[in-house]
Amino acid sequence: AQTVTQSQPEMSVQEAETVTLSCTYDTSENNYYLFWYKQPPSRQMILVIRQEAYKQQNATENRFSVNFQKAAKSFSLKISDSQLGDTAMYFCALSNAGNMLTFGGGTRLMVKP
Amino acid sequence: DADVTQTPRNRITKTGKRIMLECSQTKGHDRMYWYRQDPGLGLRLIYYSFDVKDINKGEISDGYSVSRQAQAKFSLSLESAIPNQTALYFCATSDRTLALEDGRQFFGPGTRLTVL
Repeated sequence: AQTVTQSQPEMSVQEAETVTLSCTYDTSENNYYLFWYKQPPSRQMILVIRQEAYKQQNATENRFSVNFQKAAKSFSLKISDSQLGDTAMYFCALSNAGNMLTFGGGTRLMVKP
Repeated sequence: DADVTQTPRNRITKTGKRIMLECSQTKGHDRMYWYRQDPGLGLRLIYYSFDVKDINKGEISDGYSVSRQAQAKFSLSLESAIPNQTALYFCATSDRTLALEDGRQFFGPGTRLTVL
């Protein structure tokens, strides 16, 4: 079985500042993918960033980047230059070779003006 | 993802009623999933289907059933709804080839279900 843990139920950050959301996971697979999904008040699940476990280089997407520590089974999300539109629930998720997604409990991020 | 649709978007029902949530996709994907989202628990897998004739139970299938009417359609039923089935329900799709190369799933807009 695989598990994903997000230890920060809620976080807040000032607009234009940087914030890091934490995620740890456990899996017995060698080949897997890690994701961060954003869920704004509209409820839509939006893929923010994706990391392949066999790649050592950390993924980046504009203001979003990850710190992937495979040995420690850690996958944190850094949001730079936070914007009001970043206010949302953020879910960390793990996909194994069978394409089964396991989600963490989520972190509610509030960006303050 | 606009290619994955769910109906209804919101539904209020009473305890004991039968209810069906529907999911359709135009992505041509062979795999479809149903999840439920509860506060603090993230999304949990209810059922999944890797093709029309392949349906499997997920982590929390008790009280639910599904039907894969066609490759593009996957319905979730609550035979006798109870209040603790009040939740946000998501349908998702993926492709066998994509699963090996990418791992991502594509989500519908969600259905907010309230059981009184």
